[in-house]
Amino acid sequence: DGGITQSPKYLFRKEGQNVTLSCEQNLNHDAMYWYRQDPGQGLRLIYYSQIVNDFQKGDIAEGYSVSREKKESFPLTVTSAQKNPTAFYLCASSIDRHQPQHFGDGTRLSIL
Amino acid sequence: SQQGEEDPQALSIQEGENATMNCSYKTSINNLQWYRQNSGRGLVHLILIRSNEREKHSGRLRVTLDTSKKSSSLLITASRAADTASYFCATPRYNQGGKLIFGQGTELSVKP
Repeated sequence: DGGITQSPKYLFRKEGQNVTLSCEQNLNHDAMYWYRQDPGQGLRLIYYSQIVNDFQKGDIAEGYSVSREKKESFPLTVTSAQKNPTAFYLCASSIDRHQPQHFGDGTRLSIL
Repeated sequence: SQQGEEDPQALSIQEGENATMNCSYKTSINNLQWYRQNSGRGLVHLILIRSNEREKHSGRLRVTLDTSKKSSSLLITASRAADTASYFCATPRYNQGGKLIFGQGTELSVKP
């Protein structure tokens, strides 16, 4: 079955540590997105990519970095510069920017 | 800031009853989308209504859009316990890669 796989499901970060969240899709979608969800709130966009080797900052990019070296992969790194990283992170993809988005099941990041 | 505002924030009903959720937005839109999120999971796209449409149906879902009032509503008829989830409206920004602007969501609880 086609879909989006996020891993790990739970992740713990120590102070000063960078961590990387994985997002893989086998839907052959061009566009991919990373959102952050805080408790009781909607999603906010961190980064997006419309095509391989290209990505753009979203609304809350500070303290995060991404890469898009392959069409199916869009990993997100939460750097030590992100002072409040505890949240639920969701990756999404779409055929193109005009179509609805498909979401993975998220990674919950906590601070040790 | 979030584009959409949903109301109510939480809704509790009995199985078989109808559930209505409302969404307001601030700027002009090309379309409006509704998503469902089960606890601890990713979002699932439910329905998309274009700005030139006033009403759309999909199974037990009915969505209306009033662009003059910048508002939309989602009606779930004959609700089931499995409908228990959070529901979000979202509007896309095509000049920003199709990013979705989400409301804070309505948490629906359907009691058997």
